[in-house]
Amino acid sequence: DAMVIQNPRYQVTQFGKPVTLSCSQTLNHNVMYWYQQKSSQAPKLLFHYYDKDFNNEADTPDNFQSRRPNTSFCFLDIRSPGLGDAAMYLCATSSRTSGDYNEQFFGPGTRLTVL
Amino acid sequence: LAKTTQPISMDSYEGQEVNITCSHNNIATNDYITWYQQFPSQGPRFIIQGYKTKVTNEVASLFIPADRKSSTLSLPRVSLSDTAVYYCLVTNLGGGNKLTFGTGTQLKVEL
Repeated sequence: DAMVIQNPRYQVTQFGKPVTLSCSQTLNHNVMYWYQQKSSQAPKLLFHYYDKDFNNEADTPDNFQSRRPNTSFCFLDIRSPGLGDAAMYLCATSSRTSGDYNEQFFGPGTRLTVL
Repeated sequence: LAKTTQPISMDSYEGQEVNITCSHNNIATNDYITWYQQFPSQGPRFIIQGYKTKVTNEVASLFIPADRKSSTLSLPRVSLSDTAVYYCLVTNLGGGNKLTFGTGTQLKVEL
C-alpha cells in the first residue's frame, strides 16, 4: 500500500544535541509538509516543500531546518533541541494541482523527547 | 485564512448520530471546508471536504448552509472506534494546500 513512513517512531535526544527525523513516501506526491504537535494541541505547520521549493512558515524558529533530497524523502533537522521542542512531529504529503485542493496524507509521527 | 470555532468536546453513545458544528464567519469565496480526524498517537486523516450545500461519502456527511459561515459534520451511528479529535479547517485553493488546524473537538463515544 502507498503510504507515508516516519522513522523513528520515538526519538530521545539530549538538550542541545542535534537530531534528524526522517519521512519517506511511496505516494509520489510533489508536496511534503512537516507539522509539530505538542501535547493536547493541534498540529502546527512548520514548513513545506512544493517539489524542491522550500516554503517556511513565518513563525517557524531558525532552529528547525529541512531537507528534501528527492521526491520520496524529507528530513527535519533540529539543530539545538530545547525542552520546548518535545512534541510529536508529523510528516504529510499531498499531490498539488493548480486550482484544486488535495487531501494531505499523514504519517504516524515521530514522538521526540528532549532530556 | 478564516478562523474556525468548534466545541472543545462532545460525548455520545454507540449507535447515535453525532453532529459537530463549526463556525467560520470570515470564510472567503475561494475557501473550502475540510474535516480531519485524529486518533491518539496517529497523524490526522482526511474525512470530508465541501464548498456548499451537502457532501456525503462512506464515512460522513457535511452540511454547509448558503451563507457558508458554518458547517456541520454528521457521523451516522457512531461506534467506540469513532472516539477521536475532529478538526474543522478552512482551506484555500491558492494557499498551497496548507492546513491551519484549530482546537478541534474531542468526541468520546461510550457504550
